[in-house]
Amino acid sequence: EDKVVQSPLSLVVHEGDTVTLNCSYEVTNFRSLLWYKQEKKAPTFLFMLTSSGIEKKSGRLSSILDKKELFSILNITATQTGDSAVYLCAVVAGNNRKLIWGLGTSLAVNP
Amino acid sequence: DVKVTQSSRYLVKRTGEKVFLECVQDMDHENMFWYRQDPGLGLRLIYFSYDVKMKEKGDIPEGYSVSREKKERFSLILESASTNQTSMYLCASSSTGTSNEKLFFGSGTQLSVL
Repeated sequence: EDKVVQSPLSLVVHEGDTVTLNCSYEVTNFRSLLWYKQEKKAPTFLFMLTSSGIEKKSGRLSSILDKKELFSILNITATQTGDSAVYLCAVVAGNNRKLIWGLGTSLAVNP
Repeated sequence: DVKVTQSSRYLVKRTGEKVFLECVQDMDHENMFWYRQDPGLGLRLIYFSYDVKMKEKGDIPEGYSVSREKKERFSLILESASTNQTSMYLCASSSTGTSNEKLFFGSGTQLSVL
């Protein structure tokens, strides 16, 4: 059965800390991996990763995929209170390009 | 800017009522999705549609139906609401193509069934 596991489930840090969120997967016919940030209600897209070893970067956020070891990490440097959110990982797999979602990592950044 | 709009942010209904959740997107996307999100269970796909008048069952379609009469609108229907359908409902859309996995989400509807 296809599955996506995120760790940790929750995390509390202080402003300025650097955090690393993990997403591991076991799927058939991997297509791509997506990261989303969910504040309040609507998840917003962060990154899509399809190739190993190529870092995607957006400001203080970056992500990389390892297709050999079947995981991705999302790094946030110099965290701010506005980074507090649930971070969701999803993997697109199969001929029908189904999305398999992880349960998310809840990040709280304290001032 | 890309927009997916869900008609209600909060909704309270009684057991047995028929409930309509509406979703409209302005991006001319072919694909539309309905998810529910529950603590500890994550996002679960209820129904999706790849074209007007087409619908496909997701992982948990029981107790739900959908309607897609126009490309921009995708409605989720609870024929007879039950308390176990209390949840956050999220609508999403995407385009067909090499990056069709990128979903755009609405703000969600928190439904409480009493």
